[in-house]
Amino acid sequence: DAGVIQSPRHEVTEMGQEVTLRCKPISGHDYLFWYRQTMMRGLELLIYFNNNVPIDDSGMPEDRFSAKMPNASFSTLKIQPSEPRDSAVYFCASSPRTIAKNIQYFGAGTRLSVL
Amino acid sequence: SQQGEEDPQALSIQEGENATMNCSYKTSINNLQWYRQNSGRGLVHLILIRSNEREKHSGRLRVTLDTSKKSSSLLITASRAADTASYFCATQGGSEKLVFGKGTKLTVNP
Repeated sequence: DAGVIQSPRHEVTEMGQEVTLRCKPISGHDYLFWYRQTMMRGLELLIYFNNNVPIDDSGMPEDRFSAKMPNASFSTLKIQPSEPRDSAVYFCASSPRTIAKNIQYFGAGTRLSVL
Repeated sequence: SQQGEEDPQALSIQEGENATMNCSYKTSINNLQWYRQNSGRGLVHLILIRSNEREKHSGRLRVTLDTSKKSSSLLITASRAADTASYFCATQGGSEKLVFGKGTKLTVNP
């Protein structure tokens, strides 16, 4: 398996523009997670899905952020409009269905710079 | 808010030495996990210890868990330059969510 695939690897955009980050989870995994990593705040969970259904979006910072999972092999995280404080590395992770043992497999991340 | 807090924030050792990193957390857990992150890469799972376990080994890794103190330690024995990375603890409670600490940055000098 190729692992979790994220695209693009790097994104540079200007303030106010829409940004879409993409993720392909590992085939057969039931859970998908979106994280944001910054030096100041570390790794923060934004939202996670179970079988394509959003379960907990309490980490989404504000209405400018939205995430979708239209099918089991694809998810997007959208920021509209983007702001400089959104600059961070965004990770997608997936995990299989297990009982009380959630081991997550991470993609390589998307480094977002908002100018 | 962050659940796990690693200590120290940074650690620099010589190749062949042992490296110990600590993690403290605040609430009850089902398990605690350690992940490694190489520079510019995603996190990679290293080892998981359940709340009813006290110690676990995997190769050169040894993890301990003290639920009464809400703390864990990760020991890497006979470190190598390739072990240079950031190490994160993550706790899982009653849901599928993992809550990560801010990590320990380990540098192993050849």
